[in-house]
Amino acid sequence: SAVISQKPSRDICQRGTSLTIQCQVDSQVTMMFWYRQQPGQSLTLIATANQGSEATYESGFVIDKFPISRPNLTFSTLTVSNMSPEDSSIYLCSVSGLAGGDEQYFGPGTRLTVT
Amino acid sequence: GENVEQHPSTLSVQEGDSAVIKCTYSDSASNYFPWYKQELGKRPQLIIDIRSNVGEKKDQRIAVTLNKTAKHFSLHITETQPEDSAVYFCAARIGGSNYKLTFGKGTLLTVNP
Repeated sequence: SAVISQKPSRDICQRGTSLTIQCQVDSQVTMMFWYRQQPGQSLTLIATANQGSEATYESGFVIDKFPISRPNLTFSTLTVSNMSPEDSSIYLCSVSGLAGGDEQYFGPGTRLTVT
Repeated sequence: GENVEQHPSTLSVQEGDSAVIKCTYSDSASNYFPWYKQELGKRPQLIIDIRSNVGEKKDQRIAVTLNKTAKHFSLHITETQPEDSAVYFCAARIGGSNYKLTFGKGTLLTVNP
C-alpha cells in the first residue's frame, strides 16, 4: 500500500478562523476522499476530491464551509472555514485506485480542536 | 442510497474464543465489502475484503462471508487475542474505485485476557 501523510497531525484553533489540512500520497491514486470522525463514531464522508474539477460534496456539507483542492493525482487539501467548536473532530483523507487496485486506504488523520 | 447496518455495537469475548460481527446492506448492486480495524488513536486499517463473486475469504485467523441473497456479510475472528481489541467497521460499495464506501456504525471488540 502507499504511504499517506497528513499535515498537521493536530491543531488547536480559535473559533472564526480557518485551517487547511494537507494530504499527500507517495504514489498516484485515482480517487481521494475526505472524512470526518467524531469521537466514538463512524466515518462520515465529507466530499470526494476530483482531480482537475470541483469536489463532490455529500449531503450536509457545502463548499463554502469545506473548500477542497486536488491539483494533481497525489495531493489534496481540505479547508475547514469559519470554525466553531462543533467542527472539533478528526479529519481523515482516504485514497483508492492505487496501482490499478480499488481498495481504499486511510491517512493518519488530523485531530482538530476548536476553542 | 446504500445503507449499512452493523451488529453488535459492542462485543466482549475471552481470549481464545471466536468473535463474529454482522452487517447488512440495502442495495443489491453493492459488489465490494471491506472490513477495517481501528485501534484507539490510529487510522482505520483495511484488514480483509470480499467481492460479490466470492462467498468466503480467509486470511489466517480472520474470515469474511457474504450472502448476496440475504444481503449480509460477516467478519469472523478465531482464536482471539488481546491485540484484536479495536473498533471494527464494515463497509459496502457499488462499483469500482471511483465510488464511495458506505460504512456501518462500528463494533467495539474487547478481548479479555
